[in-house]
Amino acid sequence: SQQGEEDPQALSIQEGENATMNCSYKTSINNLQWYRQNSGRGLVHLILIRSNEREKHSGRLRVTLDTSKKSSSLLITASRAADTASYFCATDRGSTLGRLYFGRGTQLTVWP
Amino acid sequence: DTGVSQNPRHKITKRGQNVTFRCDPISEHNRLYWYRQTLGQGPEFLTYFQNEAQLEKSRLLSDRFSAERPKGSFSTLEIQRTEQGDSAMYLCASSSPSRGLETQYFGPGTRLLVL
Repeated sequence: SQQGEEDPQALSIQEGENATMNCSYKTSINNLQWYRQNSGRGLVHLILIRSNEREKHSGRLRVTLDTSKKSSSLLITASRAADTASYFCATDRGSTLGRLYFGRGTQLTVWP
Repeated sequence: DTGVSQNPRHKITKRGQNVTFRCDPISEHNRLYWYRQTLGQGPEFLTYFQNEAQLEKSRLLSDRFSAERPKGSFSTLEIQRTEQGDSAMYLCASSSPSRGLETQYFGPGTRLLVL
């Protein structure tokens, strides 16, 4: 069963704009991860944020985590056409076994 | 790292046939995962191995599905008597304690179409 729910389901912006995607989940977690998937390809790991962290940065990516609201956001600044992809959040549901639970994803389209 | 590789990349088969997919993880990774992804959905966990031991199987993994990792390196996923509902992308991922168990590295996937 799916764990997270990404919001919005689809997002369309112009190059240079910022893109914000949200993820909500239902259970306790050890960490939350964001992945990117280009059409028809495998998933690429973007960033991992632990449950005791509130914000993390990686290049043009900024991830926040609010465990009290069971939600996370992914911000992509100064977007590029190459950022066009589906973005998924994934959690471990508090397990250390390694299994990940993914949401349905946000389809981001960045127009040149 | 050469990355996770999967073969074949695409498979078209007729209903009732058996298919087998292969996954080669990143060489030092001891954990290997299989996921299934249908159109418009996120990946759903099927099973995972630590070395050669299969430690967890999802309820999605019916009796027609079997996975092996005989020497703790590559893994195979076999689907017997395929059904049209098996059409999906099958993704393999691996992880390593040295990089943190939590980060899984995915292969390009095998897209299965059952006619």
